[in-house]
Amino acid sequence: EAQVTQNPRYLITVTGKKLTVTCSQNMNHEYMSWYRQDPGLGLRQIYYSMNVEVTDKGDVPEGYKVSRKEKRNFPLILESPSPNQTSLYFCASSGYSNQPQHFGDGTRLSIL
Amino acid sequence: AQSVTQLDSQVPVFEEAPVELRCNYSSSVSVYLFWYVQYPNQGLQLLLKYLSGSTLVKGINGFEAEFNKSQTSFHLRKPSVHISDTAEYFCAVSYTGNQFYFGTGTSLTVIP
Repeated sequence: EAQVTQNPRYLITVTGKKLTVTCSQNMNHEYMSWYRQDPGLGLRQIYYSMNVEVTDKGDVPEGYKVSRKEKRNFPLILESPSPNQTSLYFCASSGYSNQPQHFGDGTRLSIL
Repeated sequence: AQSVTQLDSQVPVFEEAPVELRCNYSSSVSVYLFWYVQYPNQGLQLLLKYLSGSTLVKGINGFEAEFNKSQTSFHLRKPSVHISDTAEYFCAVSYTGNQFYFGTGTSLTVIP
């Protein structure tokens, strides 16, 4: 089954404690993205990747890092989380540029 | 800056009535348009897409949308809604590369 898998699904943590949200896809897709979803703001793109070792900033990259060392994985790293990063995060992938994306089920992060 | 506008944050409609969810985007030479649906506690699922060709696009679950270049719109329509259509709907646009812009969402509530 074609899937984008995110872990963890839920996380409550404290300000400043580094965390990583993993994302893995089994469709051999070139493109992967991270989004955050906030009430009244829709989804905003954080980072995206066109291929292994190729990443670029989206609309709201501040406070986040990503890496793409393998095609299937695209982890999102919060080096020093802050309460304004409390949000619902989605990872997505697509086979080609500008193509529809497959989304994971989301990760709800709460930073206290 | 590129943007997507969904004018209606909430749309209540009676079961079996028609519905239109509006979406406008920033004009550009090349544009790729999408509608996604999000059910509670789930990720986003693709409803339909416009990449090129016919301006009337048909999607899943009886939805369709029309690309109108002169009005920079991509409104979503369904002639007869069901209770199961109650969900959040997002319009999304991609211009170049893999950068996507999402609207703020429209919450569709189907009333029995």
